[in-house]
Amino acid sequence: SQQGEEDPQALSIQEGENATMNCSYKTSINNLQWYRQNSGRGLVHLILIRSNEREKHSGRLRVTLDTSKKSSSLLITASRAADTASYFCATDAGNNDMRFGAGTRLTVKP
Amino acid sequence: NAGVMQNPRHLVRRRGQEARLRCSPMKGHSHVYWYRQLPEEGLKFMVYLQKENIIDESGMPKERFSAEFPKEGPSILRIQQVVRGDSAAYFCASSPPGQVYEQYFGPGTRLTVT
Repeated sequence: SQQGEEDPQALSIQEGENATMNCSYKTSINNLQWYRQNSGRGLVHLILIRSNEREKHSGRLRVTLDTSKKSSSLLITASRAADTASYFCATDAGNNDMRFGAGTRLTVKP
Repeated sequence: NAGVMQNPRHLVRRRGQEARLRCSPMKGHSHVYWYRQLPEEGLKFMVYLQKENIIDESGMPKERFSAEFPKEGPSILRIQQVVRGDSAAYFCASSPPGQVYEQYFGPGTRLTVT
């Protein structure tokens, strides 16, 4: 079942621009995770942010978490054509109760 | 249209036994993915199947693990001679044909090896 809701559903940008995707959820969580899915492939784990963390970085990725608003954002800086993929957020409420959003489809044009 | 179904939701096995996890994709979906999640970690991709074919098994351990998605019936993830380290949550996802950027997740099976 899907809980997290990503927005926008689709995003198209030029190479070099930044891409921001948002995720909202409804219940309390232990952590929130972002994943990428390339065409026809399985999900690849990008970042896990715990409920007591506010921001996390990994390379060109920056994730924020606002538990008061029950929302998270994923920022990809200096995007590349290879970043074209779907991006999913998943909330983990503990005891491996994970819920996935429907994803944001990002297209980066060369 | 029912979502992705997984059963059992919880499975307890003793070391050395076999575990069989089932995943029924959404109606009309012909692609199935299996993932494993250890506590406090992200999902790790295991295998991607289409009906009667394994497309990508790059995440599957070389021994004791196997997966199938027969023409009829659910996809099965089989773990032989389970060990304590196999204790995890196993999630499957399905996607419709031609929609390579969509995945719909099941609720997961929690495997505990005692």
